[in-house]
Amino acid sequence: GAVVSQHPSWVICKSGTSVKIECRSLDFQATTMFWYRQFPKQSLMLMATSNEGSKATYEQGVEKDKFLINHASLTLSTLTVTSAHPEDSSFYICSASGAGGVHEQFFGPGTRLTVL
Amino acid sequence: SQQGEEDPQALSIQEGENATMNCSYKTSINNLQWYRQNSGRGLVHLILIRSNEREKHSGRLRVTLDTSKKSSSLLITASRAADTASYFCATDSNSGYALNFGKGTSLLVTP
Repeated sequence: GAVVSQHPSWVICKSGTSVKIECRSLDFQATTMFWYRQFPKQSLMLMATSNEGSKATYEQGVEKDKFLINHASLTLSTLTVTSAHPEDSSFYICSASGAGGVHEQFFGPGTRLTVL
Repeated sequence: SQQGEEDPQALSIQEGENATMNCSYKTSINNLQWYRQNSGRGLVHLILIRSNEREKHSGRLRVTLDTSKKSSSLLITASRAADTASYFCATDSNSGYALNFGKGTSLLVTP
């Protein structure tokens, strides 16, 4: 149980285009979802926290107009990277909580974004 | 913001040996968790230890927590080549549930 999926697994896009990444909790209702970014050989950095039905809370330094987060249902959150640039190339990982209590987060497999 | 710091940054051992990784953090925590990540993959939750616990076991894993020193250690006993991965500690605080990850330890277990 407590499975989180992400789609797509990897995406390559041209500079200036927008990319949408989906995060789904498959067998539980995720009251809170988190989005992280991980650069090569580095740790995960929290980008934003989203609660179903409300606006996401962004970490300092993360542009909310560039990284649009929508958490429209208890099983789906989306991250849209708008007008992507090569420096946005990274590994994006989502996590969801709600299955085993708020302190237990279940992570998706990640999405590798490469912007040319 | 990054809170945890793991050491060593990289560790190379042979199969059968024990691997110990340490994590230090800066502020008060609710829980500390250890995760494993294979290269280019998502995170796998290994173990959670609460702030009022001192030690926890799960299979070949042993985690200790010393809140007075703001540090934790992860011990993997009788390591296997399949244990090769990066290991991260993550803390959550009383003020929220978002996780603060450490920089990670890259473990290589050679046959």
